[in-house]
Formats: sequence, C-alpha cells, structure tokens
Amino acid sequence: QMQLVQRGSGLLKPYETLSLDCSVYSGPFNSYRWAWIRQAPKEGLEWLGEIHEGGRVNYNPSLKSRITISADARKKQFSLRLRSVTATDTATYYCARASGGVEVDGFFDPWGQGSQVTVSS
Amino acid sequence: QSVLTQPPSVSGAPGQRVSISCTGSSSNIGAGYEVHWYQQDPGRAPELIIFGNTNRPSGVPDRFSGSKSGTSASLAITGLQAEDEAYYYCQSYDSGLTTSVFGEGTWLTVL
Repeated sequence: QMQLVQRGSGLLKPYETLSLDCSVYSGPFNSYRWAWIRQAPKEGLEWLGEIHEGGRVNYNPSLKSRITISADARKKQFSLRLRSVTATDTATYYCARASGGVEVDGFFDPWGQGSQVTVSS
Repeated sequence: QSVLTQPPSVSGAPGQRVSISCTGSSSNIGAGYEVHWYQQDPGRAPELIIFGNTNRPSGVPDRFSGSKSGTSASLAITGLQAEDEAYYYCQSYDSGLTTSVFGEGTWLTVL
C-alpha cells in the first residue's frame, strides 16, 4: 500500500521560506498528480497546488506569487516551497496523491502524516 | 468561508443513521464536478471514504454511502459506531476559483 512520508521545517520566522518534502513509498510515482494541502488551527482544509507528470503545476491563485511545487521522479519525491511566510501560514501541511478528474478536479488518497508549521517572531 | 457549506455538527446514537449535507453552487457541484468525502480523527490526516460521488475505496465499510443531486451532495452513515466519531469533509472543484475546494467540516458525535 502506497505511503507518503513528509519531512521539513517546523518553526519559522516571518518572511522566511517554508520547505517541505514528501517521499512516495510502495507505489509508482509517474502517472499521478501530487498535491499539497494545508489546515490552519481549528480551520478547514485548503488546497495549495498540484504537480502533474512532466512537471506542469497548478497553484491556488491566492498563493501563486509565493508558492513553488517541484518533483524529482527519480527520488520519488515532491516538494513545497512557500516564500515570505507570515503568521497566517501557520498550519499543518499535508502532501497527498491526486487521482481522478482531468486537471485539478480529482480526489486525494493517500495523505502524508502531516507537518506542523508555526510562523512566529 | 468555504464555497461548500456543511453543518458544523451532527449527532446520532449507536446503530442509528446520520446524514451530512454539502451544499455548493453552479460553479462547483452544480457544474457536474464530482464530490469526495474524507474522515479525519483529531490530530490525524484526513482519509478518503467516498470518491466520485458514490464510490467507496477498498476497506471502507458499506455503512458509508454518498449521493449527489443538483448543487448538493450528502454522506450517509448507517449503523453508527463509536469509532465513527470524527470530522467529515466534502471536497469538489470550483471552476470560478480554479481550485479544489473543501467544505468547512462537520463534527459527528456518537451519543
């Protein structure tokens, strides 16, 4: 069964760069889309973006100027970079495999374990 | 404020049936985009329980079922069990926002 394992930053200061990696185990990397989703404390879920096979990306327009999602198929790993973070970026960040749909209209399964990121001076 | 509206909470006794609604609009559910449902225990990652409006992933009990009509969708849980107590989120795509969107979540209490 496919498993996604996340690694990355925990405590950041304002204007620093959030950096998270997600490694894919026990399953293929190619032929899927890979997504990042976050959940602010006591809030709902927010889709951040997806990377397609071949490297094409779709981002949430609200973050488009600050976000980069990249992938290394050889390592079966994909990454999230979010620049110039503020307190409003404090959240648990999840990676997930995206399936179904055509572009970014699919579902997410499985999910990584989550990475708590806190932005504070 | 999400474009998909869910009730903040629902409750039911063990063995009973509960339903959680997810109301959208003509730019998401009403436009024909599929609805998916997730279960989230506090402190854990969400898990997919319904995809493509009505389909259950392998391993999800048939007590869970999904439906969709017009601009809304519903998740039904029959034969409630204590382990079903969790947050439930609907998800779809919004063509106006050009993003996947999630409902605000519904907390299910098993009395």
